[in-house]
Amino acid sequence: GESVGLHLPTLSVQEGDNSIINCAYSNSASDYFIWYKQESGKGPQFIIDIRSNMDKRQGQRVTVLLNKTVKHLSLQIAATQPGDSAVYFCAENTGFQKLVFGTGTRLLVSP
Amino acid sequence: SAVISQKPSRDICQRGTSLTIQCQVDSQVTMMFWYRQQPGQSLTLIATANQGSEATYESGFVIDKFPISRPNLTFSTLTVSNLSPEDSSIYLCSGAGDLNYGYTFGSGTRLTVV
Repeated sequence: GESVGLHLPTLSVQEGDNSIINCAYSNSASDYFIWYKQESGKGPQFIIDIRSNMDKRQGQRVTVLLNKTVKHLSLQIAATQPGDSAVYFCAENTGFQKLVFGTGTRLLVSP
Repeated sequence: SAVISQKPSRDICQRGTSLTIQCQVDSQVTMMFWYRQQPGQSLTLIATANQGSEATYESGFVIDKFPISRPNLTFSTLTVSNLSPEDSSIYLCSGAGDLNYGYTFGSGTRLTVV
């Protein structure tokens, strides 16, 4: 099927490496942030979220860091696997529960 | 979080016609949204689907082109009207529960206009 993320920034890593995907968000009033993974032909899949009263949250193999001072969000994936290859989007809740999505990053994991 | 079923998964339509996309959620959600994702790009919010009233559209999207219904808490439709090739895109439904938790997406509808 048609791939998403054909024209997006690409991060290429080797299997087993740690990956860091960055995102700059736009609204200093945003209070909730989500990272999504989107594979070709599928809708975005929730990975991890973080509220603005936190600066770090960990999940299984993933960590999200939030720096409100510079409006920056990052997703760290430990021991990256080929199955992690996808497009990753950050999204911010700008109010009224509406999500605004970042431009996305394509992650390519080589075996 | 909710599970969202969206159909059709893809369609090829003639220009000038319309396509209606259906979105069914398996549990009650507070908010439902419709997004567009053009090839190789990120998601853009079209509108918030409001139960029993007119949808709230984002800048650049109008009701005549993208009429939306939400007759109950678990079902919504998006119609893309008077299709042109520029409407070729992926259209996605999303649902959110209370307190900003549980933003879930359907698998999307890939529309090609010929």
